[in-house]
Amino acid sequence: QVQLVESGGGLVNPGGSLRLSCVASGLTFSDYYMSWIRQTPRKGLEWVSYIDPSGRPIYYADSVKGRFTISRDNAKNSLYLQMNSLGAEDTALYYCARGHHGLEFWGQGTTVSVSS
Amino acid sequence: EIVLTQSPGTLSLSPGERATLSCRASQSVSNSFLAWYQQKPGQAPRLLIYHASNRVVGIPDRFSGSGSETDFTLTISRLEPEDFAVYYCQQYSSSSSRTFGQGTKVEFK
Repeated sequence: QVQLVESGGGLVNPGGSLRLSCVASGLTFSDYYMSWIRQTPRKGLEWVSYIDPSGRPIYYADSVKGRFTISRDNAKNSLYLQMNSLGAEDTALYYCARGHHGLEFWGQGTTVSVSS
Repeated sequence: EIVLTQSPGTLSLSPGERATLSCRASQSVSNSFLAWYQQKPGQAPRLLIYHASNRVVGIPDRFSGSGSETDFTLTISRLEPEDFAVYYCQQYSSSSSRTFGQGTKVEFK
């Protein structure tokens, strides 16, 4: 069955950087668009970014444009999110998910906390 | 950006009752590119419906979606105990647009 496992979250100072990873199994990874979604109790669900099967980024939320970069390595069945210039507003649970329309498969998420 | 407004915020119902959840868009959602998700505490969202009315394989047929343009509805015909959760709508109207509603909580009355 499809499994998505995120990692790389943690506590980071404002202005710092983190790189999230998502390893996929149970699917032909290179066939699918992939997405990053984040969730906070206050703001709910926010679609952060998605990327096409070949590795071309298609979408970034306005709130992360110029700071976050999505990428993938199809040989490693892996999706990444490089997050720079982090602020308190980026504190969230970050999910990777398969697809770019309805998202049928999600990981369990990795928590990012931005605080001094 | 298309803003999705869900109502009501909370729906208090009993098992066996019918649940009707609304999702209103600030502008037309092209091609009815709208999805519905269910989320339980400590879990990731689960996709129920895509393209406004297409049920995902394995989702019980008591879940149905309808609507077009700016008004969409998720109906749960007879609530089962496992259906008490938060439900979100989400639009994918264009490649440059992805938004979620704020959610409707279906709770035990």
